[in-house]
Amino acid sequence: ILNVEQSPQSLHVQEGDSTNFTCSFPSSNFYALHWYRWETAKSPEALFVMTLNGDEKKKGRISATLNTKEGYSYLYIKGSQPEDSATYLCASDTGRRALTFGSGTRLQVQP
Amino acid sequence: ETGVTQTPRHLVMGMTNKKSLKCEQHLGHNAMYWYKQSAKKPLELMFVYSLEERVENNSVPSRFSPECPNSSHLFLHLHTLQPEDSALYLCASSPFQTSDGYTFGSGTRLTVV
Repeated sequence: ILNVEQSPQSLHVQEGDSTNFTCSFPSSNFYALHWYRWETAKSPEALFVMTLNGDEKKKGRISATLNTKEGYSYLYIKGSQPEDSATYLCASDTGRRALTFGSGTRLQVQP
Repeated sequence: ETGVTQTPRHLVMGMTNKKSLKCEQHLGHNAMYWYKQSAKKPLELMFVYSLEERVENNSVPSRFSPECPNSSHLFLHLHTLQPEDSALYLCASSPFQTSDGYTFGSGTRLTVV
C-alpha cells in the first residue's frame, strides 16, 4: 500500500447502531497513525494518535485499534448518535511532520 | 474555537489579485502547517514550518508563498492564482511531540474567479 486508504467512503446508520471503519496505510517508515473527526463547517478534531502495534485507544463510545505490521487501523463507534455524524479521517505519520491523509469516511446517523 | 484562528473564513479573488491568508495560534506549539483540500480529494500538505524554519515544501507552485514571522503566526501569500486553486485552505499547529495530534483552524474557503 502506497497511500492511505479509507473504507467505506460513506455510511448511513440508524441511531443506536454500532459501526466501524477501516484505514489502510503503508507499514514501512511507520511512526504513528492519527484519527480525526471533522464536522461540517468546523475544524478537524484529533481523536487518537496511535504508535504501538496492537494498541487500542478509547474515548467514550469511540475506540480504535492498530496493526502496524499489516498496515491497518479500525475505528469503532458503539451506539451511534446523531451528533456522531461527521467525516472521520485517518492519517499516516512517518515522523517527518508530514501527515498523509486518507479521503475519509463520511458517517450519517439517522435519528 | 480550537486555539488556531484563520482569517478570512471566505475569500473570492480574481486571477490577477494578490491576497494573504492568516493563521494564528497561542498554544505554544512550535510547528505550523498549511494544508489544502480540493473537491473530492484528501487533505494535501503544502508547507511545514518548524521553529519558524520551512522544513517541507510539498512541490507547491510558486504562486503560493508562505511566511512564518514568529512561532505564533503563519501566512500564505497568494498571487496570480488559477481557478483550479479554489479550495479549502487549512492551517494546523502541533508541539514537537505529536502524541496529541494536530490542532486545526476552521479554514479559509478560497474561490478564484
